[in-house]
Amino acid sequence: DGGITQSPKYLFRKEGQNVTLSCEQNLNHDAMYWYRQDPGQGLRLIYYSQIVNDFQKGDIAEGYSVSREKKESFPLTVTSAQKNPTAFYLCASMREGRLIGNTIYFGEGSWLTVV
Amino acid sequence: AQRVTQPEKLLSVFKGAPVELKCNYSYSGSPELFWYVQYSRQRLQLLLRHISRESIKGFTADLNKGETSFHLKKPFAQEEDSAMYYCALFSRGKLIFGQGTTLQVKP
Repeated sequence: DGGITQSPKYLFRKEGQNVTLSCEQNLNHDAMYWYRQDPGQGLRLIYYSQIVNDFQKGDIAEGYSVSREKKESFPLTVTSAQKNPTAFYLCASMREGRLIGNTIYFGEGSWLTVV
Repeated sequence: AQRVTQPEKLLSVFKGAPVELKCNYSYSGSPELFWYVQYSRQRLQLLLRHISRESIKGFTADLNKGETSFHLKKPFAQEEDSAMYYCALFSRGKLIFGQGTTLQVKP
């Protein structure tokens, strides 16, 4: 298996509530990423982290927050400020290699529905 | 700005027909490009990357720097190739994806 675990797989949230999606990897990868997948819009980068205790905003960071306290974990919080949070969320991690280039591995994803 | 464009949302072909999924990019410098595939109810997985110049499941992709393209090709489509395909560009520590193209192979 890919070694990246996302949980929960399905999550329902009431409007106005924050929710945290978990992403754990045992691949010893330095970099981790959160993407949002919407029909017709592909994958859009929310946040990414290249090293522990450091992270950067992606293209659509508003309404989201992350932390990277441990190498293997990169949780994503969807806050009440996110106006359209219903989506499929994908976590990924990356191994770097000079000879063969960079390779990114993805989790199975989490479906978030706001009700 | 770095960008990846996949102009077709849906490509529908018959089994045995050739397939070409288009990908254009904008990037200053030497790009590092990938194709990812997502089969129904499965996780996104790497199909191929230009740096290794390999062929996976009969698919190939050639980097054309003059046209800034990285089109994905297969001479004879199979029904099991039906999936969502994403072209991606690696730049400054992050992977930038195109909008994706759904390939539908009809029997």
